[in-house]
Amino acid sequence: GAVVSQHPSRVICKSGTSVKIECRSLDFQATTMFWYRQFPKKSLMLMATSNEGSKATYEQGVEKDKFLINHASLTLSTLTVTSAHPEDSSFYICSAKGTGDYNEQFFGPGTRLTVL
Amino acid sequence: GQNIDQPTEMTATEGAIVQINCTYQTSGFNGLFWYQQHAGEAPTFLSYNVLDGLEEKGRFSSFLSRSKGYSYLLLKELQMKDSASYLCAVLSGDYKLSFGAGTTVTVRA
Repeated sequence: GAVVSQHPSRVICKSGTSVKIECRSLDFQATTMFWYRQFPKKSLMLMATSNEGSKATYEQGVEKDKFLINHASLTLSTLTVTSAHPEDSSFYICSAKGTGDYNEQFFGPGTRLTVL
Repeated sequence: GQNIDQPTEMTATEGAIVQINCTYQTSGFNGLFWYQQHAGEAPTFLSYNVLDGLEEKGRFSSFLSRSKGYSYLLLKELQMKDSASYLCAVLSGDYKLSFGAGTTVTVRA
């Protein structure tokens, strides 16, 4: 149980285009999902907290107009990188908060974004 | 903000034991996680500590001292497949996870 999927796993796009990444909890309902970004050999940095049915909460320094988050259902959150630039190239990982005693977050497999 | 420190790299021999230390300073504390991450993949859960003491799970054990802001992950009987990055992450008072930079463990034959 507690499987989180992400789609696509890899995407290459041209500078200026927008890219949508989907995060799904496959066998449980997730009222809260998180989006992280990880640069090579660096740690995961929390970008935003996605809450079902309400606006996402962004971390300091993350532009909400550039990274649009929609959490329309209890099993799906999407991150859209708008007008992508080469510096947005990174590994984007989502997680979904479980409901068990551990307060555990279950991570998706990640999406490698390359902006040319 | 959160401050989580762990060593950058460690190398050990197959069959040996390695201990990865993590110190942290956070606003509020709801537990400490250890994750394993292979290059290009998402982190996988290894352990969770919220009370002081040692949690043992097969070859992996994790220890926590809340008063000292300190944890360690102990890997025993190292295998080649244990070569990976190990991330210390603290769940703060607002239930957000903050990650350390990760410790790359290289296991040599």
